Amino acid sequence: SAVISQKPSRDICQRGTSLTIQCQVDSQVTMMFWYRQQPGQSLTLIATANQGSEATYESGFVIDKFPISRPNLTFSTLTVSNMSPEDSSIYLCSVTGGLNQPQHFGDGTRLSIL
Amino acid sequence: GESVGLHLPTLSVQEGDNSIINCAYSNSASDYFIWYKQESGKGPQFIIDIRSNMDKRQGQRVTVLLNKTVKHLSLQIAATQPGDSAVYFCAEKKNNAGNMLTFGGGTRLMVKP
Repeated sequence: SAVISQKPSRDICQRGTSLTIQCQVDSQVTMMFWYRQQPGQSLTLIATANQGSEATYESGFVIDKFPISRPNLTFSTLTVSNMSPEDSSIYLCSVTGGLNQPQHFGDGTRLSIL
Repeated sequence: GESVGLHLPTLSVQEGDNSIINCAYSNSASDYFIWYKQESGKGPQFIIDIRSNMDKRQGQRVTVLLNKTVKHLSLQIAATQPGDSAVYFCAEKKNNAGNMLTFGGGTRLMVKP
C-alpha cells in the first residue's frame, strides 16, 4: 500500500492562529480524504480532497474553517483556521486507489490549542 | 501517548485465546466494510475488508463475518498476541456514496500475558 507522510506530526498552537497540515503520498492515488479524531473518539470525515477542484465537505464542516488544497495526485493540505481549544484533535489524511478499495491512513497530526 | 480510545468499550483477553470484536452497522444499503487497528500514536491500519455479497472472509489469523440480516459485523482474531493490543474500528461504506466511510465507535482490545 501507499506510504503516507503527514507534517507536522504534532503541534501546540495559540487560539486564533491557523495551521496548515501537509499530506504527501509516495504514489499517485485516486482519492484523498481528511478526517478528525477527537480525544477518545472515533474518526469523522471532514472532506474529500478533489484534485484540481474545490473539496467536498461533510455536514458540519465548512471551507472557511478547513480550507483544503489538492494540487496534484500525491499531495494535499488541510488548514485549521482561527483555532480554538475545541479544535484540539488528531487530524488524519487517508488515500485510496478507487471504489471499494480500502483507505490507508497516515499517522496523523496531533494538534493542541491553548 | 494521546488519549485515543480512553472512553471506548474494552475487551480483555488472555494471550493465546481467540478474540471476537463486534460491530453493529447502521445502514442496510452499505455494501463494503473494513476493519482497522489503531495503536497509540499511529493512524488506523487496514486489517481486512469484506463486500456485502460475502458473509465471511479470512486473512492471516483474522476472520471477518458479516450478517446482513441483523446488520452485524465481527472480527475474529485467532491466538491473540500482545501485539494485537490496540483500538479496533469497523467502517462501512454506503452503496452509491463514493468512497465515503462511516466509522463505528471502536473497541479497545487488551491482551493479558
